[in-house]
Amino acid sequence: EADIYQTPRYLVIGTGKKITLECSQTMGHDKMYWYQQDPGMELHLIHYSYGVNSTEKGDLSSESTVSRIRTEHFPLTLESARPSHTSQYLCASSEYRGRGNSPLHFGNGTRLTVT
Amino acid sequence: SQELEQSPQSLIVQEGKNLTINCTSSKTLYGLYWYKQKYGEGLIFLMMLQKGGEEKSHEKITAKLDEKKQQSSLHITASQPSHAGIYLCGADISSDYKLSFGAGTTVTVRA
Repeated sequence: EADIYQTPRYLVIGTGKKITLECSQTMGHDKMYWYQQDPGMELHLIHYSYGVNSTEKGDLSSESTVSRIRTEHFPLTLESARPSHTSQYLCASSEYRGRGNSPLHFGNGTRLTVT
Repeated sequence: SQELEQSPQSLIVQEGKNLTINCTSSKTLYGLYWYKQKYGEGLIFLMMLQKGGEEKSHEKITAKLDEKKQQSSLHITASQPSHAGIYLCGADISSDYKLSFGAGTTVTVRA
């Protein structure tokens, strides 16, 4: 069982509010990722990090930002939430052991609803 | 277009029957991962396949990798209600080491 935690599990918030989705892992993994997933739809990579002080934008354009000050912590922030941000956000981590040998381990997700 | 194509998109199977899900890549596979997801939750890692011809089993779930066809199949034998969920394949196929994912196959098991 992977030790990666996301909080909150569910969040309902009004338009224009600033929010931070938390993600922590206790496995010492260097790589961490944020995916966005709408119900029944595919995963879209929005941010990733290869280690402390490393952050990159993913394949899907996102108005969110991330930071990686500590290995175990990879929070995602929305400065001004909008209804279009309503989605499920999944955090993942991995230990790089070579191509094809580095599965991602996922948290349980945060379901965000912006009203 | 999707780099990883999963088929079928969804399937309904009678409890006790077998089922197969396929995942086909448009690019060279450097590893193939299978995940299961309950609706609204995170992905649970099932198994990883690295070499052509490799086959792995866990309980009643078997996955195979056909490197030449750039394809993997997931087979569930004697399905049970606990097998219901969304199955996703993920693969390392890009040059920047990021995983790509298929759109998922929704499995419903009818009693």
